This record gives sequence, structure tokens and C-alpha cells, in this order.
Amino acid sequence: DIQMTQSPSSLSASLGHRVTITCRASQDIGYHLNWYQQRPGKAPDLLIFAASNLQSAVPSRFSGSGSGTDFTLTISGLQPEDFATYYCQQTSSGFTFGQGTKLEI
Amino acid sequence: EVQLVESGGDLVQPGGSLKLSCEASGFGFSGSAIHWVRQASGKGLEWVGRIGGRGDGHATAYGASVTGRFIISRDDSTNTAYLEMDSLKTEDTAVYYCTREDYYQIYYSYYYMDVWGKGTTVTVSS
Repeated sequence: DIQMTQSPSSLSASLGHRVTITCRASQDIGYHLNWYQQRPGKAPDLLIFAASNLQSAVPSRFSGSGSGTDFTLTISGLQPEDFATYYCQQTSSGFTFGQGTKLEI
Repeated sequence: EVQLVESGGDLVQPGGSLKLSCEASGFGFSGSAIHWVRQASGKGLEWVGRIGGRGDGHATAYGASVTGRFIISRDDSTNTAYLEMDSLKTEDTAVYYCTREDYYQIYYSYYYMDVWGKGTTVTVSS
């Protein structure tokens, strides 16, 4: 089974700053990597699919990159609504999620 | 409006059974694969399983922790997917979400979950 490891597990940042979240796969998954945002008490929302493609209506301050085993989610110019938990997901073999990264003020 | 609505969550005793429903609207349900994803309180997301659409013969796949105990089915005439859970354990306690699978095709097909329901809560406790 493919394991997904996110780092850090939690992150503190300020409004307007730039943050990067990393996701590492236990084996090569090509570009089969998605990112989701989950606000407290809500269902997850898709942000990025196929490693770097922005989902419709997602602000352009979100971007994704990487391939193979190493991927990043970058948020440029943090807004209040961005403070949430972020999950990566591989869909190369099965549908495994990372453990999540909580972004706090 | 594209929408998924889960129902059926309840309190059930260990060893018991429960069947969840996921009603879809606003899109071509019969052609869409549907997943179930769960989240225990304060924990991360765990993929439970998937049922394919009409195009792949409604094929099913399950996560390791539920294989042999959970079954996913669907009724395309009512735009509803189901998650039937047997031999429930306390560790199955979670919010259960159904999601729609879509894909992006360029050389390969890249799958993702683009529509999520609000979830239904299952509590397994004596």
C-alpha cells in the first residue's frame, strides 16, 4: 500500500504570509496527487488535482507542484478563510490520504 | 445544483449493522463513480470504498480496514448509493461522507473527488 506523509502536522502563520505544505509518497505516484481543504465542521473541498491543476473557483493564491514522490501545496498571501486543515491524497493505487496539516494563525 | 446528501447515521452496538444512503442530484449519477470516506472525531480522512459507474460495470473496491465487513451498492433508478456496514466495531465510529469521483485526462486519467456531501454520523458503542 502507498503511504502518504505530510509535513508539518501543524503550522502557524500570519495573514498575508506565504506557506508551503509538503506531501511525500512512499513510492512513485507520478502526478496522481490531489489537495483538499477542510474547515472545522465542514466537508473537505477539492483545491488541486493532478498535482498542479487548480479546481474551478479556487483562488489563484493556491498552487501545487511536484511529481513522483514529493509534492507541495503553496498558499500565497494568506487570507482569514485559509486557516483550515489540508490533506493530500494519492490516486495512483487506491485512494490514500495524508494525515493532514492544520494551518493556524 | 450538484449535490450529495447522506443519511442513515445512528448509534449502534458493537457487532451490529447499519446501512447508509447517499442521494445525488444535479448531475449524471449513473455515469459517476461514488466513494465513501470517513473521519473519526479529531482525526484525518480515511478512504472507505468506491463503486464505479455504468461505464465500469459498477466495480467495487474497499479499504483494508473494512474489507469483508462493508458493502457498497447503488440504485441508478433513484440516484442513490449505499454503504452497508456489518460487524461494526467501536473504531468504525466516524462521520461518513459520500463523494463523487471525476477525472482529468491527459495521457493518463487523474482521479479526484470534486463533490462531497455534508456527512452522516455513525456511533458504535454499547
